[in-house]
Amino acid sequence: NAGVTQTPKFHILKTGQSMTLQCAQDMNHGYMSWYRQDPGMGLRLIYYSAAAGTTDKEVPNGYNVSRLNTEDFPLRLVSAAPSQTSVYLCASTPRPGLAGGFKNTGELFFGEGSRLTVL
Amino acid sequence: GNSVTQMEGPVTLSEEAFLTINCTYTATGYPSLFWYVQYPGEGLQLLLKATKADDKGSNKGFEATYRKETTSFHLEKGSVQVSDSAVYFCALSQTGANNLFFGTGTRLTVIP
Repeated sequence: NAGVTQTPKFHILKTGQSMTLQCAQDMNHGYMSWYRQDPGMGLRLIYYSAAAGTTDKEVPNGYNVSRLNTEDFPLRLVSAAPSQTSVYLCASTPRPGLAGGFKNTGELFFGEGSRLTVL
Repeated sequence: GNSVTQMEGPVTLSEEAFLTINCTYTATGYPSLFWYVQYPGEGLQLLLKATKADDKGSNKGFEATYRKETTSFHLEKGSVQVSDSAVYFCALSQTGANNLFFGTGTRLTVIP
């Protein structure tokens, strides 16, 4: 009963390096998203995908995402900066976020997070 | 815009004490409101929710009532246990939206 799996759990990299945070879910959820969690800031949405093969909003600078299939939703840091030091949380939900959004479900299923430090 | 303001932490209580974590929100229309909990070393999980005014969400002894007149969704529990030690997040969503707006989180520590 894996749910949402994130790897790695911890990683340290240097400014300018690139890396990919992996997220996979085995619940056949259409909707997947990435949040970052910072002390005193709560959770902030980075990007979401409503279905495999779709891009639903502009990708923030410094990140790259892809959704080639339903299960996987990797987040790539193109050229890491210290401002990207954070805990990254991946989430999924069975509702694709179309009309009605989260009104009727509201439950996001989260992974355990990836703690990333950029030196 | 949409925002959620949560009670600053951390909160430390003795076992069996009464818990209140305040949450107020700013939103247009009629959002849905949620409490999520993050236990040590685990991901966030939904604790309870309410989708319309005056609804009460409840789970594991926790309760929260959607108060539109005061734009609040305070979390309460009558008698906390050590196992309730976690970080609690208040959140809201709008109809048709594709994400949740989270508060900053409140860390609760319950001591025996």
